[in-house]
Amino acid sequence: AQSVTQLDSQVPVFEEAPVELRCNYSSSVSVYLFWYVQYPNQGLQLLLKYLSGSTLVKGINGFEAEFNKSQTSFHLRKPSVHISDTAEYFCAVRRNTGGFKTIFGAGTRLFVKA
Amino acid sequence: ETGVTQSPTHLIKTRGQQVTLRCSSQSGHNTVSWYQQALGQGPQFIFQYYREEENGRGNFPPRFSGLQFPNYSSELNVNALELDDSALYLCASSLVAGAKTEAFFGQGTRLTVV
Repeated sequence: AQSVTQLDSQVPVFEEAPVELRCNYSSSVSVYLFWYVQYPNQGLQLLLKYLSGSTLVKGINGFEAEFNKSQTSFHLRKPSVHISDTAEYFCAVRRNTGGFKTIFGAGTRLFVKA
Repeated sequence: ETGVTQSPTHLIKTRGQQVTLRCSSQSGHNTVSWYQQALGQGPQFIFQYYREEENGRGNFPPRFSGLQFPNYSSELNVNALELDDSALYLCASSLVAGAKTEAFFGQGTRLTVV
């Protein structure tokens, strides 16, 4: 079985400051890792994914994440945030053999202040 | 836009009633998954359909059932509604062409049970 822990439920940050949203996972099998963003009253949009290869993954809207297998972490970062980045962010895992069952964390609310 | 559409967008039902939610997959996709997202939580996997057959299920009771049609559109049915069924229901479609394929989410149906 897999599980995902997002270590911060809310992250307030000032505009143009850097941000890191933390994610740890647990799995007995190899997994793919994802970050999704959800704006109010909308569905999920994929920010980035780690499937294999380079552990530093770049996504949309200037976000990037680093896969650390030894620490079972997949933290999301952005060097300079904008007001428009205010949203809910979900870290997720999916085993890499068969099926599309994706396990999501509880989410981190990023609030960017002017 | 992901090409995945859900209907209706909002719905209010009374406890004990039955509800049907609909999802139109992205063109060419043969797999659909359904998720329940309660307020303030991450999405929870309900089940997945591949070529009209259920091939994966999460920890949800049998009163949650589904269908996938030959055109790969899908329905989620919930019988004997309970107050705790109030949530955002998301569907995600994907093409099974290797486990690395991405799933695309719809905007969701907000179900309120009163």
